[in-house]
Amino acid sequence: AQTVTQSQPEMSVQEAETVTLSCTYDTSENNYYLFWYKQPPSRQMILVIRQEAYKQQNATENRFSVNFQKAAKSFSLKISDSQLGDTAMYFCALFTGNTGKLIFGQGTTLQVKP
Amino acid sequence: DAGVIQSPRHEVTEMGQEVTLRCKPISGHDYLFWYRQTMMRGLELLIYFNNNVPIDDSGMPEDRFSAKMPNASFSTLKIQPSEPRDSAVYFCASSLGPYSGNTIYFGEGSWLTVV
Repeated sequence: AQTVTQSQPEMSVQEAETVTLSCTYDTSENNYYLFWYKQPPSRQMILVIRQEAYKQQNATENRFSVNFQKAAKSFSLKISDSQLGDTAMYFCALFTGNTGKLIFGQGTTLQVKP
Repeated sequence: DAGVIQSPRHEVTEMGQEVTLRCKPISGHDYLFWYRQTMMRGLELLIYFNNNVPIDDSGMPEDRFSAKMPNASFSTLKIQPSEPRDSAVYFCASSLGPYSGNTIYFGEGSWLTVV
């Protein structure tokens, strides 16, 4: 079975500082993809970053980067230079080819404080 | 380019009534997903379609829930009869071949309240 676990229900960070959100997952597949989605109060699901499991290099998107540790099945999200607009719930998600399903973790609520 | 379009955005209905949620996927996307989000259970995949055919409906909670995709540009999720515990945000999402790692794009959600 595929599972995604986010162990930090809530986090906060001062504006302009760096924060890291944790995610661990479990799958027996070799071909899979990992995603971080952002959900602001509007509830819209917005893709932040994605990582292909076969790629060694960690993905980056502007202020967002991941630390992908395949052996440890860990996929953390680092937000640099945090901005007030980063305040949202963040979901880690796993997609596996054999199931065709995108499975989400429980989410981490991030508050950026001025 | 238009994203995934869902309607209605908000619906309040009485217990026992039929509810129909609608979704228009992104043009050209051949996969369509229905998710439900609640505080207790988080984001759950209810059903997904490939080329208008339901592939996996194991997440559909009960027979009261049904989903259809009559063509590539339209899908419905129906609840009949509705119950208060069905209150949730329902998301529709679409993708171009997620097996290739293509992004799954979400609509803005339909907020359902059953009283």
